[in-house]
Amino acid sequence: AQSVTQPDIHITVSEGASLELRCNYSYGATPYLFWYVQSPGQGLQLLLKYFSGDTLVQGIKGFEAEFKRSQSSFNLRKPSVHWSDAAEYFCAVVGGAQKLVFGQGTRLTINP
Amino acid sequence: DTAVSQTPKYLVTQMGNDKSIKCEQNLGHDTMYWYKQDSKKFLKIMFSYNNKELIINETVPNRFSPKSPDKAHLNLHINSLELGDSAVYFCASSPGTSDGIQYFGAGTRLSVL
Repeated sequence: AQSVTQPDIHITVSEGASLELRCNYSYGATPYLFWYVQSPGQGLQLLLKYFSGDTLVQGIKGFEAEFKRSQSSFNLRKPSVHWSDAAEYFCAVVGGAQKLVFGQGTRLTINP
Repeated sequence: DTAVSQTPKYLVTQMGNDKSIKCEQNLGHDTMYWYKQDSKKFLKIMFSYNNKELIINETVPNRFSPKSPDKAHLNLHINSLELGDSAVYFCASSPGTSDGIQYFGAGTRLSVL
């Protein structure tokens, strides 16, 4: 069965610092991969997606992610975080039966 | 104008009661979903409807019954509520069924006392 692992439950970075959130997936075929963000009290919003082609994908709010098939990873990055980036981040893969399978989430805290 | 709207936002009720959560999307999408997010933020799909037809039905207790009167609406009715049903329930919609691009509502926080 498809699965997604986000090894870091909680990450704290200083405002202006760079960010990398880790995601590993398990899927037999070429995966469709996603990062979603959930701000406090809100629903999830799509940050970016990978379907095929260029392994470095750009998303909204200055985020990017890199697909590495050899490492089964799809890590999310941002060169300089803003206080408004504090949120819960979810990596996801489309698995069998067209279901979106989410990781456990990583909570991002920003220090001023 | 909210794209995917759920009501109510908060729902507090006693064990054994029956309650409903409503969801409406104005995006013209064909597919709608219900997800449950537990206290550890783990998000899991419960149901999916495409053009009013049930296409995904996870191993959810049959106390949970989704209903889709039209493709813009997907409601969730829960009978005989239990403590373990306390969670945040999210509605979502998508234009297709398989590409993973979904639009979420703000969630309904259900607390069963």
